[in-house]
Amino acid sequence: DSGVTQTPKHLITATGQRVTLRCSPRSGDLSVYWYQQSLDQGLQFLIQYYNGEERAKGNILERFSAQQFPDLHSELNLSSLELGDSALYFCASSAYRGTYNEQFFGPGTRLTVL
Amino acid sequence: AQKVTQAQTEISVVEKEDVTLDCVYETRDTTYYLFWYKQPPSGELVFLIRRNSFDEQNEISGRYSWNFQKSTSSFNFTITASQVVDSAVYFCALSEDTLAGNMLTFGGGTRLMVKP
Repeated sequence: DSGVTQTPKHLITATGQRVTLRCSPRSGDLSVYWYQQSLDQGLQFLIQYYNGEERAKGNILERFSAQQFPDLHSELNLSSLELGDSALYFCASSAYRGTYNEQFFGPGTRLTVL
Repeated sequence: AQKVTQAQTEISVVEKEDVTLDCVYETRDTTYYLFWYKQPPSGELVFLIRRNSFDEQNEISGRYSWNFQKSTSSFNFTITASQVVDSAVYFCALSEDTLAGNMLTFGGGTRLMVKP
């Protein structure tokens, strides 16, 4: 158990819908990352937050957005869903405070868009 | 731009065989970090090791060992006396820790199947 929690574990929805994925980082970790794992694209970085502020952006679609709240949990919002958005979405956290610390991953949320 | 290549998409071995998973990376930075993660059939990503670019010492942890060679931009992972429980997808990853963030760039993964 990495200490990172993600809800829900599975999500099945239809094209055009909007969903929210939730992540709680390990206790004390200030940095949260979102990654997408799909058959086509492999494991891809989406976005990073550090203590509530966006820190880095990767290949995140404009239909997707994220935020990190004062209690450090994070949400990833996916809207106008398409079949190709079906993937495993991981959240990771790290204790990044100026020196490098490894990222620990949550169990993932499997999104299926029908 | 940074890139990680795992040329072996799938490897099959018989239990107790040694197996090496290859990882080649590309980066322009002089300071970077290399990682291996394991993804068992249950789907979670399990951190195995982190290596800093300025530390080329090889590392051994039980049946696992890692060989980091800057000259060939490689960070290979060897499992000695493989076991069925080692069956998983293994990912090599690279991070260029910068002020712009420290996201991971993953290779495509190597699926290891260990048969009894």
